[in-house]
Amino acid sequence: GAVVSQHPSRVICKSGTSVKIECRSLDFQATTMFWYRQFPKQSLMLMATSNEGSKATYEQGVEKDKFLINHASLTLSTLTVTSAHPEDSSFYICSARDKGVANTEAFFGQGTRLTVV
Amino acid sequence: GESVGLHLPTLSVQEGDNSIINCAYSNSASDYFIWYKQESGKGPQFIIDIRSNMDKRQGQRVTVLLNKTVKHLSLQIAATQPGDSAVYFCAESGGDYKLSFGAGTTVTVRA
Repeated sequence: GAVVSQHPSRVICKSGTSVKIECRSLDFQATTMFWYRQFPKQSLMLMATSNEGSKATYEQGVEKDKFLINHASLTLSTLTVTSAHPEDSSFYICSARDKGVANTEAFFGQGTRLTVV
Repeated sequence: GESVGLHLPTLSVQEGDNSIINCAYSNSASDYFIWYKQESGKGPQFIIDIRSNMDKRQGQRVTVLLNKTVKHLSLQIAATQPGDSAVYFCAESGGDYKLSFGAGTTVTVRA
């Protein structure tokens, strides 16, 4: 099946620094990718929809300047957590759906565990 | 706002028994539903999906049932195995490519 690769799987950073997370679709083109955040023992919360070649669409309550999203190609989206603080520590997960195919499963990356110290 | 939710947060099942995980959704415009399995520290894994023009779909050891009248979705796992222990999420989509996830049910398989 289709594969979505997310990197890094774990990252520890100091408070105030920025962290970039990459999400790649390895064997299909993804016009749209999604970024989720998941706290322990909770569900996935959609943060933003990443659109190739255009601005990302953010969900209500998600700070655009805090979570920068770039979708420069049909196979790569990046999420940058800027000026990270301990409360940004979480599990971040990306997903992608195959270009032009409506209502099909979304493939998920393996997630990135961010710890801000 | 409307969201997908799960009836039970935890489910303990004896190895070899069948498991049933339930999900209630409230968005009547949703026309596509997916069940995902998530193991600790990993991203969700696709299990099975169903479109709104169907009421039942079967996979390998899994069956998804959709009751649009009461907006209810269920996942049945036959002959539950230790490797089935995980958190299970239902997700729904209304054609805008977004997936909304329910709260999740933690399934624990007893040996």
